[in-house]
Amino acid sequence: QSALAQPRSVSGSPGQSVTISCSGTSRDVGGYNYVSWYQQHPGKVPKLIIYDVNERPSGVPDRFSGSKSGNAASLTISGLQAEDEADYYCCSYVDSDTLAFGGGTKVTVL
Amino acid sequence: EVQLVESGGGLVQPGRSLRLSCIASGFTFDDFAMYWVRQVPGKGLEWVSGISWNSGTIGHGDSVKGRFTTSRDNAKNSLHLEMSSLRPEDTAFYYCVKSTSRWLDFRYFDIWGRGALVTVSS
Repeated sequence: QSALAQPRSVSGSPGQSVTISCSGTSRDVGGYNYVSWYQQHPGKVPKLIIYDVNERPSGVPDRFSGSKSGNAASLTISGLQAEDEADYYCCSYVDSDTLAFGGGTKVTVL
Repeated sequence: EVQLVESGGGLVQPGRSLRLSCIASGFTFDDFAMYWVRQVPGKGLEWVSGISWNSGTIGHGDSVKGRFTTSRDNAKNSLHLEMSSLRPEDTAFYYCVKSTSRWLDFRYFDIWGRGALVTVSS
């Protein structure tokens, strides 16, 4: 299984925007629109925040947005808030019916 | 309330077997494919397996293929993970997760259980 590449950490001040990249290949991110993002607070269970590249489940604030260009996907958090401090994981379908997660990015609110 | 509750975790010696179970409630279990995802404490997520609504399609990740078996009992709203030939690197929280499709489309997971900790150590 391939692993998707994410930065280990990003940080921003309250109100700022941060973007997390998720780099893959044409066999995963670039080949399919099945990219999802999960938020995980310390000691908690992962929570779906983006699916199908840029769709938000009901209840997820619109300051979370997703996009994709070529073999890379991105999650942007606009208007950063203290409660957004967490780990974020990207996830993508991989051809031959497997699934890959990114290594995770820790978002720190300064 | 939609809920997934895992059980069966614990300490097991290398080479031994262990069976995890997940009981679903609050939704029509046999309408959805189900998956197992694991996470080494403090580390990232790894897909373990998936099973379609009717058990017609089952898939496992490369690191567990041939050692782990996934099954479900729709009459009992339950999902199972039979783990054999366990290795120290299998030590992780194992999450039962629900998809939004009947089939193994690997799109996304909308509901996660709280996880069961499996520790493989002598």
